[in-house]
Amino acid sequence: DAGITQSPRYKITETGRQVTLMCHQTWSHSYMFWYRQDLGHGLRLIYYSAAADITDKGEVPDGYVVSRSKTENFPLTLESATRSQTSVYFCASSEVQSYEQYFGPGTRLTVT
Amino acid sequence: AQKITQTQPGMFVQEKEAVTLDCTYDTSDQSYGLFWYKQPSSGEMIFLIYQGSYDEQNATEGRYSLNFQKARKSANLVISASQLGDSAMYFCAMRGARNSGYALNFGKGTSLLVTP
Repeated sequence: DAGITQSPRYKITETGRQVTLMCHQTWSHSYMFWYRQDLGHGLRLIYYSAAADITDKGEVPDGYVVSRSKTENFPLTLESATRSQTSVYFCASSEVQSYEQYFGPGTRLTVT
Repeated sequence: AQKITQTQPGMFVQEKEAVTLDCTYDTSDQSYGLFWYKQPSSGEMIFLIYQGSYDEQNATEGRYSLNFQKARKSANLVISASQLGDSAMYFCAMRGARNSGYALNFGKGTSLLVTP
């Protein structure tokens, strides 16, 4: 399917477990982003990537790890999940010359 | 640093009426872009409209228009002829600089409810 997809769409995990959220885009966009959405905060940037093998921290990176070995994939890993990481996670992509960011459908993560 | 402020947590409007959602911003950049996104209850983020800081005219997309007042640093979204399907969260956002990967900085959002 063309576009940007995220998996899983819903995930329940326990405190201390490692969990990986997947993001895949079919446009070969250079830039990819991970945001988290919490009530009262809007969306906040966790990490971004300007190209394969180039990643950098955003506003709220603590407790998260990213990698980007291929242009089309940008997984987000919670190495040891905490309850404060319960959130909705959005992946997005864009080209530098295009102002629009395209968002995935989101992953709702609950840490118990 | 950039900052986006949406001061209206919730708004009501009657069907077929126009509504304005407020957004003010702060930035030291000369060149910047402003966005509005819609998030219905299903959760996806839907791009509505974009305004570049050097655009001379206010952006319009169908029933959506952006009232851009650069000197006042405001970028209000105007929805004309509201429909029940317009009920959703609306987010104002600003595109960051290259050193942030051009990531978006979002306001906290405004919840709009359109009533019959």
